[in-house]
Amino acid sequence: ETGVTQTPRHLVMGMTNKKSLKCEQHLGHNAMYWYKQSAKKPLELMFVYNFKEQTENNSVPSRFSPECPNSSHLFLHLHTLQPEDSALYLCASSQDRGSGPQETQYFGPGTRLLVL
Amino acid sequence: GQNIDQPTEMTATEGAIVQINCTYQTSGFNGLFWYQQHAGEAPTFLSYNVLDGLEEKGRFSSFLSRSKGYSYLLLKELQMKDSASYLCAVLDSNYQLIWGAGTKLIIKP
Repeated sequence: ETGVTQTPRHLVMGMTNKKSLKCEQHLGHNAMYWYKQSAKKPLELMFVYNFKEQTENNSVPSRFSPECPNSSHLFLHLHTLQPEDSALYLCASSQDRGSGPQETQYFGPGTRLLVL
Repeated sequence: GQNIDQPTEMTATEGAIVQINCTYQTSGFNGLFWYQQHAGEAPTFLSYNVLDGLEEKGRFSSFLSRSKGYSYLLLKELQMKDSASYLCAVLDSNYQLIWGAGTKLIIKP
């Protein structure tokens, strides 16, 4: 059983829809991450939160909006997405940031997103 | 720029040994991770190396040479369940995790 859960597992949405992805970690970690994974490409880091504060936003379009209400929950709000945003969206958590082995990230199962 | 290189795909036989290589050019180095990802599933942590040498964990071993910017993951006594993608990632001097595109390993009976 994974310590990081994500819902929904699959999502199909139109370009005018608004939806949200949810991530929850049960590991007592302080840092949480959103990644985009496209076929045959490296994982793309989107956002990082450390102790509920956003520390990184890697030039992600504003149609993706993260929210971290507490250190256990992370959301990704989606609106007016494009077909090229179709991908697997992975959430991860780590004990800390900036500390070598404590950067070990634990991933959720991901949300497979299809934008029509 | 920062770069991680690993083969796109490899094929090996059940019961054999396979070595998956990873070379990197990054701004500094604070450790190298290997993850396993089965199709449609989450990546799972396999190993972390920060010092040169070989770290062994059961059937899996990971090697690091910082001077050569090189690592490999060695899988012994291959099983069908080892069919997966193997991701190499390097923690740079800013503690940013730089990911490779992954190596898809196919195990044949």
